[in-house]
Amino acid sequence: AQSVTQLDSQVPVFEEAPVELRCNYSSSVSVYLFWYVQYPNQGLQLLLKYLSGSTLVKGINGFEAEFNKSQTSFHLRKPSVHISDTAEYFCAVTLTDSWGKLQFGAGTQVVVTP
Amino acid sequence: NAGVTQTPKFQVLKTGQSMTLQCAQDMNHNSMYWYRQDPGMGLRLIYYSASEGTTDKGEVPNGYNVSRLNKREFSLRLESAAPSQTSVYFCASSEARTSGKLTNEQFFGPGTRLTVL
Repeated sequence: AQSVTQLDSQVPVFEEAPVELRCNYSSSVSVYLFWYVQYPNQGLQLLLKYLSGSTLVKGINGFEAEFNKSQTSFHLRKPSVHISDTAEYFCAVTLTDSWGKLQFGAGTQVVVTP
Repeated sequence: NAGVTQTPKFQVLKTGQSMTLQCAQDMNHNSMYWYRQDPGMGLRLIYYSASEGTTDKGEVPNGYNVSRLNKREFSLRLESAAPSQTSVYFCASSEARTSGKLTNEQFFGPGTRLTVL
């Protein structure tokens, strides 16, 4: 079975500063990886996904993530955040070789201040 | 397209009352899911339906039942609500394949905020 660890429960950051959210997974087989964002009082939206190919994946709103198979990581980055990026971010993983459920991390709360 | 819709948005129940949370999707997806979200615990899967006519337990099924009414609709029922079921409930749907790959990419509804007193 796969599992996901998000190493930071909360990340405070100043507006226009860079941010990195860390995600590590464990799985004995290949996986697909996702980052979702949840704005206050809303459902989850897909930010980006890694299925195959280039290990650097670009998503919406200027976010990108890098898949590192040797370190089993899928860290999310944005070079310059806005107040509107204040949200909770979830990393998720599913197996590639069979239909399976998404396994979510516990989430990282990003708080952007002026 | 509305995507995934959920009703109601908010609900307050007394301990022991019952209620049904409704979910519908208009994306013609085969699979549907119910999650609960509690602070610091991320999303936990309650039940899912891989395809019309099937349902299976997730991580935290106790105290809940589900019905896959048709391909569009998947309801969650609390028969006798308890304070421990105070949570935000999300419904999601997915088409197993994206670009030919078995990805299980999920689309979420806006949530139902349930308080049990």
